[in-house]
Amino acid sequence: EDKVVQSPLSLVVHEGDTVTLNCSYEVTNFRSLLWYKQEKKAPTFLFMLTSSGIEKKSGRLSSILDKKELFSILNITATQTGDSAIYLCAVEHPGNTPLVFGKGTRLSVIA
Amino acid sequence: KAGVTQTPRYLIKTRGQQVTLSCSPISGHRSVSWYQQTPGQGLQFLFEYFSETQRNKGNFPGRFSGRQFSNSRSEMNVSTLELGDSALYLCASSLQLAGIDEQYFGPGTRLTVT
Repeated sequence: EDKVVQSPLSLVVHEGDTVTLNCSYEVTNFRSLLWYKQEKKAPTFLFMLTSSGIEKKSGRLSSILDKKELFSILNITATQTGDSAIYLCAVEHPGNTPLVFGKGTRLSVIA
Repeated sequence: KAGVTQTPRYLIKTRGQQVTLSCSPISGHRSVSWYQQTPGQGLQFLFEYFSETQRNKGNFPGRFSGRQFSNSRSEMNVSTLELGDSALYLCASSLQLAGIDEQYFGPGTRLTVT
């Protein structure tokens, strides 16, 4: 059975801290790994990673994939209160099959 | 371009009733996927429709069903509601052309079963 495991489940940090969120997976066939940010309702897309070792970056957020060790990390530097959200990791199979989501990491950034 | 819309946003039902949720995808998107999100189980896949056909189905009982119309709008129905069906139901749409494709989520419908 496919599994996507995120850690930690929740995290509380102070503004300005740097955080690292983890996502490990065990899937039969892998095409890509996706990160989403969910604030109030709808998850919004952050990154899609398909190749090992290539960092994707967007402002203070960055992510990298290790296909050999089957994990990805999402880094957020100089955190702000607006970064408070649930961060979801999902794995995509080849073909038109559904994404498999982890349970998410709830990040709370306090002033 | 308008995003994915879901109606209603909130719903309260009692056990044994049935409910229908609606999702309108982004214009031009032909794939609609439905997810159930609960604090304990996270985001779980229900089913996906593409061009009016159910293309994928998750591990949910037959009380959960859906359909897609020719304009790509989709509905999901839950019959004989149980307390455990209380959740946030999200739908996501995508183009689903060949190659890697991104899903766009709607705001969700919060269903409470009492």
